[in-house]
Amino acid sequence: NAGVTQTPKFRVLKTGQSMTLLCAQDMNHEYMYWYRQDPGMGLRLIHYSVGEGTTAKGEVPDGYNVSRLKKQNFLLGLESAAPSQTSVYFCASNLPTLDRAQETQYFGPGTRLLVL
Amino acid sequence: GENVEQHPSTLSVQEGDSAVIKCTYSDSASNYFPWYKQELGKRPQLIIDIRSNVGEKKDQRIAVTLNKTAKHFSLHITETQPEDSAVYFCAATLNTGGFKTIFGAGTRLFVKA
Repeated sequence: NAGVTQTPKFRVLKTGQSMTLLCAQDMNHEYMYWYRQDPGMGLRLIHYSVGEGTTAKGEVPDGYNVSRLKKQNFLLGLESAAPSQTSVYFCASNLPTLDRAQETQYFGPGTRLLVL
Repeated sequence: GENVEQHPSTLSVQEGDSAVIKCTYSDSASNYFPWYKQELGKRPQLIIDIRSNVGEKKDQRIAVTLNKTAKHFSLHITETQPEDSAVYFCAATLNTGGFKTIFGAGTRLFVKA
């Protein structure tokens, strides 16, 4: 049981390049989330999904797109990367859980992205 | 939308002392308040949580209190140890057909041996 995994772990992009971050979970969770973490700003929600085929905007969705074609995967895309998107990106998932509150989020290990 | 403020941003305590981190939230519809601990270079991990219908919850050296009327909640760590050194995040969660969680900016806790 790997939990929540993310690929890649680290990436360097040039301004204007595109890339896709992959999040995968093997806990049969319905809900999945993408956050970005910047120094002094905590975690900010980019997009989230409440089930296969659904997506919704979070606090800071501009410049990002997402897709949830399979229940276990949640993809985050950057169509034209900008230096302001340099950050650490965390994926999370929840619902249902057996031994914790259903709202408990399980986080992936993070992807460190540098945009030059 | 929901806004969560967290104080202090940095906290330094002597080993064995207590540490208190305070948060306020703005949306009275928030009903679940988790606390996460994040060690350097690692993912956030849940350490304790509380629901809006409960005023206090304790788990060994960690306790959380919630004042729903004032929209305040706090994390209390007693008998601090060096391994408690980390960044702590409070959060408030709304169930809007997806559990929308808004995080505070974090508190960096240093426990000096």
